[in-house]
Amino acid sequence: AQTVTQSQPEMSVQEAETVTLSCTYDTSENNYYLFWYKQPPSRQMILVIRQEAYKQQNATENRFSVNFQKAAKSFSLKISDSQLGDTAMYFCAFMKLVPGTYKYIFGTGTRLKVLA
Amino acid sequence: NAGVTQTPKFQVLKTGQSMTLQCAQDMNHNSMYWYRQDPGMGLRLIYYSASEGTTDKGEVPNGYNVSRLNKREFSLRLESAAPSQTSVYFCASSERQYNSPLHFGNGTRLTVT
Repeated sequence: AQTVTQSQPEMSVQEAETVTLSCTYDTSENNYYLFWYKQPPSRQMILVIRQEAYKQQNATENRFSVNFQKAAKSFSLKISDSQLGDTAMYFCAFMKLVPGTYKYIFGTGTRLKVLA
Repeated sequence: NAGVTQTPKFQVLKTGQSMTLQCAQDMNHNSMYWYRQDPGMGLRLIYYSASEGTTDKGEVPNGYNVSRLNKREFSLRLESAAPSQTSVYFCASSERQYNSPLHFGNGTRLTVT
């Protein structure tokens, strides 16, 4: 069974600094997609970034980038120049094919607090 | 664009009561999902629907039923609520394509006393 592990329940970072959130997953599939979602106090789930397992190049979206290590099954999120608005829960998710559609499996989340 | 709309936003039930959480999406997505979010446990899949007329169990289906009424709507029913079902419930949809992310509703906070 596929699992997604986020080993850091809580983290904090000073404003303007860089922080890395870790995520590991377990799968026997060769091609898949990975996602990071952000959940601010408003409870809304917001897509941050996505990565295809076939692509060697790490995905980047403005201040957010990933370090994807396929062999190690690791998918960490780096936030550069942290801002107060980055304070949120962050979830890593794995997308797997099932009959007729896809399922999305989530980690337990990392609560990030950006300090002024 | 409304995206995924869930109602209600908040609900308090007594043990044994029943209720239905409503979800509708206007993005013409084929696949829809219900998740529950609990502290320290992330989001766990309750049920999903690949297309109109089909539903499948996720990780934690016990105590719930679902209906995919049409392509837009996917409801979640609690027949006899229990305190263990106190949670935040999210409905989500996707295009059923390889790189398609989930699009979420704003969630329903349910408390069962």
